[in-house]
Order: sequence, then C-alpha cells, then structure tokens
Amino acid sequence: KNEVEQSPQNLTAQEGEFITINCSYSVGISALHWLQQHPGGGIVSLFMLSSGKKKHGRLIATINIQEKHSSLHITASHPRDSAVYICAVRSFPHLSIKAAGNKLTFGGGTRVLVKP
Amino acid sequence: GAGVSQSPSNKVTEKGKDVELRCDPISGHTALYWYRQSLGQGLEFLIYFQGNSAPDKSGLPSDRFSAERTGGSVSTLTIQRTQQEDSAVYLCASSFRGPPRETQYFGPGTRLLVL
Repeated sequence: KNEVEQSPQNLTAQEGEFITINCSYSVGISALHWLQQHPGGGIVSLFMLSSGKKKHGRLIATINIQEKHSSLHITASHPRDSAVYICAVRSFPHLSIKAAGNKLTFGGGTRVLVKP
Repeated sequence: GAGVSQSPSNKVTEKGKDVELRCDPISGHTALYWYRQSLGQGLEFLIYFQGNSAPDKSGLPSDRFSAERTGGSVSTLTIQRTQQEDSAVYLCASSFRGPPRETQYFGPGTRLLVL
C-alpha cells in the first residue's frame, strides 16, 4: 500500500461543476501539499496545509489530521483547470531517521479534464 | 521575477554516456530539491540541499547518480553510465527556508531520453 493514495485517478467534469479530489495518507505528517501539473509539464504549488482549511480563488483545500485525509475542491470548474493534481506529504523527522522530514512523498496524481 | 530555471530542457543520450543536468534556483532560496518523474509514474524525491549542510541523498536510486550545489546556488545532477530506465523528467525545486512548512517552486524540468 502506498503511503499516499489519491482518488479518483481520472475525473471528467463539465464546465461549472464542483470537483473534489481526495488524498489519504498512512504516516504522521508535518505538512501536506497540493500541486498542479499543467499539460505542458510545469508544476505549481497550490496549497501547503498542516491543519484546517485554506481557500484561494475557486480552490479550497481541507485536511483532517485525525483521519489522515485531505480534499481539494474546485468550485465553478473551468477548462483551464484541466491538469493533474498531486497530493504530497512531508513526514515527521524521526530520531533515528532525521532525513525523513526532508522529503515529500507524492500521490499518483488525479488527472482532471473539464469540458466546455 | 525569475523563477527556477533548468537546462537543457530536453536531452537525448546513448546508453552508457554520462549526462549533467543544471538547476538555477530562485535567488535567495536556501533549499533545493531534485525530483524524478518517470513516464506514467508519480514524482520521486532524489536529493535535498539546505544551505551549507550536508545534502540528504536518501532518494538517489543508485551510485550512478550524484549532485552538487556550488556556492549555495546552482546545482548540477550528474548521471553516469546512463541506462534506459533513467529516462524521465528531472525536476528541480527551491524554497526560501526549507521544510517543514515551505512552498516549493518548481522548474520546468529536463526531459531525458536514454536510447
């Protein structure tokens, strides 16, 4: 079982629809990131969360630390939102594996297509 | 302002040759990361530099992979004796202060194809 699981793997929506992408993880984390990878390959950091909820424009990210789950919501979706959305977590550093806190572990991504 | 830049954008090489990939982070960013994204696979951490500290090399897949960061700025990822399974997009990212609560800024990547 991967440390970070995303669902769905693929999602097709009509313009204007509300979209939800889910991310579940199995380790204790210090932070969770949501990234957007455009069809051309460029990656943009959308959110960094350690608790609660963040909103930026039409994007909302939530995290439930107890349930080890995060969601990314896109309201009033638009074709330009078509991209791969990637969840990534940063583990807590351990006494014996200090470096564990340095790296991000990535989910497999959710490919979103918004049709006009 | 200038973002993270990487060069070359594309590299085609023959199996067994060495390649060097370059990353110019955002000026003033102390943390620098290298990642790899193989075709159809997720992103994979390779190496992390923070200031003058020893790098975290825990993600490097083999001893054919090495990286340097000179003067706390530009970084070079070197792959020796390339293999076909090294074909991937190699991404560099930088951040102002490093983990745990940081925003990473990604470069456009170098697409490597090993024939």
